[in-house]
Amino acid sequence: DQQVKQNSPSLSVQEGRISILNCDYTNSMFDYFLWYKKYPAEGPTFLISISSIKDKNEDGRFTVFLNKSAKHLSLHIVPSQPGDSAVYFCAASAGVQGAQKLVFGQGTRLTINP
Amino acid sequence: DAGVTQSPTHLIKTRGQQVTLRCSPKSGHDTVSWYQQALGQGPQFIFQYYEEEERQRGNFPDRFSGHQFPNYSSELNVNALLLGDSALYLCASSLGSVTGGFYNEQFFGPGTRLTVL
Repeated sequence: DQQVKQNSPSLSVQEGRISILNCDYTNSMFDYFLWYKKYPAEGPTFLISISSIKDKNEDGRFTVFLNKSAKHLSLHIVPSQPGDSAVYFCAASAGVQGAQKLVFGQGTRLTINP
Repeated sequence: DAGVTQSPTHLIKTRGQQVTLRCSPKSGHDTVSWYQQALGQGPQFIFQYYEEEERQRGNFPDRFSGHQFPNYSSELNVNALLLGDSALYLCASSLGSVTGGFYNEQFFGPGTRLTVL
């Protein structure tokens, strides 16, 4: 039972263009969503998050959009840079307070081409 | 400030053996969560330790057990290893207490790559 899904295993984008990574979820109890970035031989690092009471959160080149009715979120990276090449994981949490367990998607490998 | 550290980096075991993985949390953190990441998949939550007790558990068999020490470091033990236990095991640390409604970010270590032959 995959509660968080990233249907695109890979994505290739030209440097300077916009990268859009998508994520769908099924559990209505999820109320906090996160994106993590992972380089080889390193653990995932937190990128950006959004609470279910918002529909957009922006941090520099990164913006996360949440569509609760569609149970869909997306991560936009503008402009894309070669250093953005990594695996991106979408994650969800049921409950905001404290340290809640994270449910991850399968990941999308983003490659930024010069 | 050292982040989350895990040992060993790599480990090779045979079926039926037992393994212990170790994690030291980021300074100031009191909660440790363990995740299993199989090849091509996202991390899956195994369990979480807070105040030396298992606070949450994912859908993993009893062969997976853990421990948290008074200094907040943690161990993950897996008994009777199966080929399917081959994976990257990630440890994440965070603050476990409720902090005014804010999400307590989890910081991940680099992981231990376990290969079961």
